[in-house]
Amino acid sequence: RKEVEQDPGPFNVPEGATVAFNCTYSNSASQSFFWYRQDCRKEPKLLMSVYSSGNEDGRFTAQLNRASQYISLLIRDSKLSDSATYLCVVNKGGNTGFQKLVFGTGTRLLVSP
Amino acid sequence: DAGVIQSPRHEVTEMGQEVTLRCKPISGHNSLFWYRQTMMRGLELLIYFNNNVPIDDSGMPEDRFSAKMPNASFSTLKIQPSEPRDSAVYFCASSPRQFFTGELFFGEGSRLTVL
Repeated sequence: RKEVEQDPGPFNVPEGATVAFNCTYSNSASQSFFWYRQDCRKEPKLLMSVYSSGNEDGRFTAQLNRASQYISLLIRDSKLSDSATYLCVVNKGGNTGFQKLVFGTGTRLLVSP
Repeated sequence: DAGVIQSPRHEVTEMGQEVTLRCKPISGHNSLFWYRQTMMRGLELLIYFNNNVPIDDSGMPEDRFSAKMPNASFSTLKIQPSEPRDSAVYFCASSPRQFFTGELFFGEGSRLTVL
């Protein structure tokens, strides 16, 4: 089983739609969680952190369910510029306390006019 | 400000040849990471340095791969001998401190094709 699992998509949605991505992780000791965005043939970039109580950044809302080992990302009012691959990321940390980010393979989003 | 700089951006080589990928992290960042990305496996952490010292190399596939960080501003990832299955995009990333906020700053990647 992969440490971080995501539906690869693609999710095809019209502009203005609301879309949600899910992610599950296998290591219950994982310490922190993030969503990264990767445009085609570009490097990944941090989109937002995911907090236990849920958090929002403009049109983006992230939620974490530690009991189910499940993370979600909701995008409201989709824009053409939201078309990208969204990577779910888990920080496994470790005994040394150093970060060890494990990336999911990503969910591809295509927003059409 | 300059971001993470990687070279070469593209490399095509033949099986058996040595490949050296280079990375210059952002000045002041003390953690450096090498990742490999393929369609099938996504982003995989190969090795992680903190203050120029390798902390975790459990992701290095086999002895053909080696990485060094001789100083705070330079790291290399070497593959010798290269094989077709090494074809991938290799990303270098850095972060500013040991216990960080989750943000890795990635370079643009080195796209390697081994024929």
